[in-house]
Amino acid sequence: DAKTTQPTSMDCAEGRAANLPCNHSTISGNEYVYWYRQIHSQGPQYIIHGLKNNETNEMASLIITEDRKSSTLILPHATLRDTAVYYCIVKSNFGNEKLTFGTGTRLTIIP
Amino acid sequence: DAGVTQSPTHLIKTRGQHVTLRCSPISGHKSVSWYQQVLGQGPQFIFQYYEKEERGRGNFPDRFSARQFPNYSSELNVNALLLGDSALYLCASSLEGDGNTIYFGEGSWLTVV
Repeated sequence: DAKTTQPTSMDCAEGRAANLPCNHSTISGNEYVYWYRQIHSQGPQYIIHGLKNNETNEMASLIITEDRKSSTLILPHATLRDTAVYYCIVKSNFGNEKLTFGTGTRLTIIP
Repeated sequence: DAGVTQSPTHLIKTRGQHVTLRCSPISGHKSVSWYQQVLGQGPQFIFQYYEKEERGRGNFPDRFSARQFPNYSSELNVNALLLGDSALYLCASSLEGDGNTIYFGEGSWLTVV
């Protein structure tokens, strides 16, 4: 699976949109971009995933560049409960289900 | 609907002992994976089981083993515990084991003393 690069940490004001970038320049054609987050001492929570089109669900939006080499997770109206470590993961949807977690981005929402 | 459930939530073991961790997947999910998360790091893949067969194995020693039962629940066993095995052990499940969204449980905290 392709490697991803994320900023180590970010801050965002409560109520504003949080934009979390991820670089995955070696992504291959059959690999999806997945986002998970982990609130302290809890299991990772699935947020969203996509292949090449932008995706939106009740939690977030995922914007993938046309060349698929980078993506941005958008939390439209951040709340204090969104403070967590956010992981961007690239994974093929064939073969086993190994998710390769990096160090993620520690997002802190500031009141 | 219940999510992925794991037991026990916390346990303390002594070096050299053996531990068994249990996982019940989301109802209808046939694939179970196990991850180890050491403090300050992201989760590391240990095993995946689908329909009772091992489908993937991470870079862990043979002291780590797992199995999946006919009802798709799973056990992770670790023998000859080392201090470095202290971690959060996460179980995850998915519907078909190939290309479906993976959902995690809250984990089992293992402390080895």
